[in-house]
Amino acid sequence: DVKVTQSSRYLVKRTGEKVFLECVQDMDHENMFWYRQDPGLGLRLIYFSYDVKMKEKGDIPEGYSVSREKKERFSLILESASTNQTSMYLCASSSPGQGFKYEQYFGPGTRLTVT
Amino acid sequence: AQTVTQSQPEMSVQEAETVTLSCTYDTSESNYYLFWYKQPPSRQMILVIRQEAYKQQNATENRFSVNFQKAAKSFSLKISDSQLGDTAMYFCAFMKQGDDKIIFGKGTRLHILP
Repeated sequence: DVKVTQSSRYLVKRTGEKVFLECVQDMDHENMFWYRQDPGLGLRLIYFSYDVKMKEKGDIPEGYSVSREKKERFSLILESASTNQTSMYLCASSSPGQGFKYEQYFGPGTRLTVT
Repeated sequence: AQTVTQSQPEMSVQEAETVTLSCTYDTSESNYYLFWYKQPPSRQMILVIRQEAYKQQNATENRFSVNFQKAAKSFSLKISDSQLGDTAMYFCAFMKQGDDKIIFGKGTRLHILP
């Protein structure tokens, strides 16, 4: 069964802290994604990785960085957390080898609160 | 740039009724894919149904079906015989062929009432 896991369901951090959000997939997928979900704004892509050590900025990369040292793991880093980064963060993975299917598989999300 | 618009932020229907969620999109591409994703309360987002733009036939998955109107750039989701478990946020999404990134709409929160 396909699985994407995220390290925490809920996280509370202080302004200025460095925050790591981890995502692991067990499907051997090449692509991994980090989204931010806010009410009324839907899902917005932060960063995308199409291979180990490869990354591409999404629509809202400011204030975030990512790391992908292994195929199954994709980390989102908030270098200095701010209150406007309080949000739900969703990780997803997909494989271009799926042909027309192109389904993205999502993790359960991490609800981050920055105080 | 592609955009996806869901005009209904929130809807409520009685159990067993049929409900239609609207979605329009804007693109200059001719080859693309469209999706509906479901996010139940406090649970993972899952794919409900997908449609390839080159296919004229509307996709169907059990009680879920779409009405794909390519010329009008419309992609609505119909849920028949709605069930309490259909309560969720529903996202319409677009992917250009050859791309791996999906563009999501803002979502429609659907409440199925007992």
